[in-house]
Amino acid sequence: GAVVSQHPSWVICKSGTSVKIECRSLDFQATTMFWYRQFPKQSLMLMATSNEGSKATYEQGVEKDKFLINHASLTLSTLTVTSAHPEDSSFYICSARDSTSGRVTDTQYFGPGTRLTVL
Amino acid sequence: AQSVTQLDSQVPVFEEAPVELRCNYSSSVSVYLFWYVQYPNQGLQLLLKYLSGSTLVKGINGFEAEFNKSQTSFHLRKPSVHISDTAEYFCAVSAAQGGSEKLVFGKGTKLTVNP
Repeated sequence: GAVVSQHPSWVICKSGTSVKIECRSLDFQATTMFWYRQFPKQSLMLMATSNEGSKATYEQGVEKDKFLINHASLTLSTLTVTSAHPEDSSFYICSARDSTSGRVTDTQYFGPGTRLTVL
Repeated sequence: AQSVTQLDSQVPVFEEAPVELRCNYSSSVSVYLFWYVQYPNQGLQLLLKYLSGSTLVKGINGFEAEFNKSQTSFHLRKPSVHISDTAEYFCAVSAAQGGSEKLVFGKGTKLTVNP
């Protein structure tokens, strides 16, 4: 089956630093990837939709200057949390849709997530 | 906009017992419905999805779900659970119109299967 990887799986950083999280589709091409944030005992909240070769589309309330998204290739999207603060600590999950058929009903494949802790 | 309510945050059951995990949704347009499972320290895995056609959908690992439009529900069921089914289960919805790919998730239901 289709596999999506995330790196790193966990990261601890100091307040004020920036952290980059990578999301890769390992065996398929994905023109569209999604970034979610998951708080403990809460649902996944969509942060942004990442489109290969164009700007990401952010959900309402998500600061685009704080959460920088780059989708430079059909298999890689990155999320950079800039000037991280303790309130940014969370579980970040990406997903990717196989773009082969072009159907929006195709399955989204999820990565294993990245646990970010900001001290 | 769509929303999803998973009525039970935790469901404990004994091995080989049947289980139903409840999911209700709200939407002003037609929807696609999904159930995902998340095992500890792993990503979400698709269990099954309803796009159109038969309202009874069969998925992997012996799970099935029934779409009920009048009750706006998409409950997940399994007739006999195993210890290995212990995981977090998420119901999700997306709009069927407009080509939107956005998934809206419920808060999840933690299923614990006890021996």
